[in-house]
Amino acid sequence: GAVVSQHPSRVICKSGTSVKIECRSLDFQATTMFWYRQFPKQSLMLMATSNEGSKATYEQGVEKDKFLINHASLTLSTLTVTSAHPEDSSFYICSGKGGLNTEAFFGQGTRLTVV
Amino acid sequence: GDSVTQMEGPVTLSEEAFLTINCTYTATGYPSLFWYVQYPGEGLQLLLKATKADDKGSNKGFEATYRKETTSFHLEKGSVQVSDSAVYFCALSDPGAGTASKLTFGTGTRLQVTL
Repeated sequence: GAVVSQHPSRVICKSGTSVKIECRSLDFQATTMFWYRQFPKQSLMLMATSNEGSKATYEQGVEKDKFLINHASLTLSTLTVTSAHPEDSSFYICSGKGGLNTEAFFGQGTRLTVV
Repeated sequence: GDSVTQMEGPVTLSEEAFLTINCTYTATGYPSLFWYVQYPGEGLQLLLKATKADDKGSNKGFEATYRKETTSFHLEKGSVQVSDSAVYFCALSDPGAGTASKLTFGTGTRLQVTL
């Protein structure tokens, strides 16, 4: 299947700093990118959906000014956690899909720890 | 809103044992149902899916049947192998949203298969 490469796989940052997570679709053009997060013992929860070249659509309760999503090209989407706090510590995972009825392919995920 | 409940892990089995991972869902319409698998260090991969009641999805010896009357989509395999050790996620998608759009996930169940 198609590959989505997500980096970094793990990151530890200090409270108040910003962290950028990248997702690249290596062998297909991801017209839509989804960003999820998973807190311990909870489900993966959709944070936002972005279409290439458009502003992301955020789910209820997700702060768009805190979680900046850029999807400027068909092969790269980034999630920046701004002014991170310990409660932002979580597992973040992206998935990309190339069209309306195509399968979504997932990145490996990023474990963020804010200290 | 939509939700997915799956059994908590970890599940530890000996090789060649029978596997069942329970999954039940709540949805207002008629969702499509999925099982994803995440092997260590990799992204989530689609394992199997079913799009309507009584459909059976199958792949790599795994099966799951869409049971509308019990709102369930339990994952089964007759004889597990060590290579099946992974985290398994049950998920559903919004009705009519196309394959793998805006997925709602369960918490994931870790399977550990030993020799």
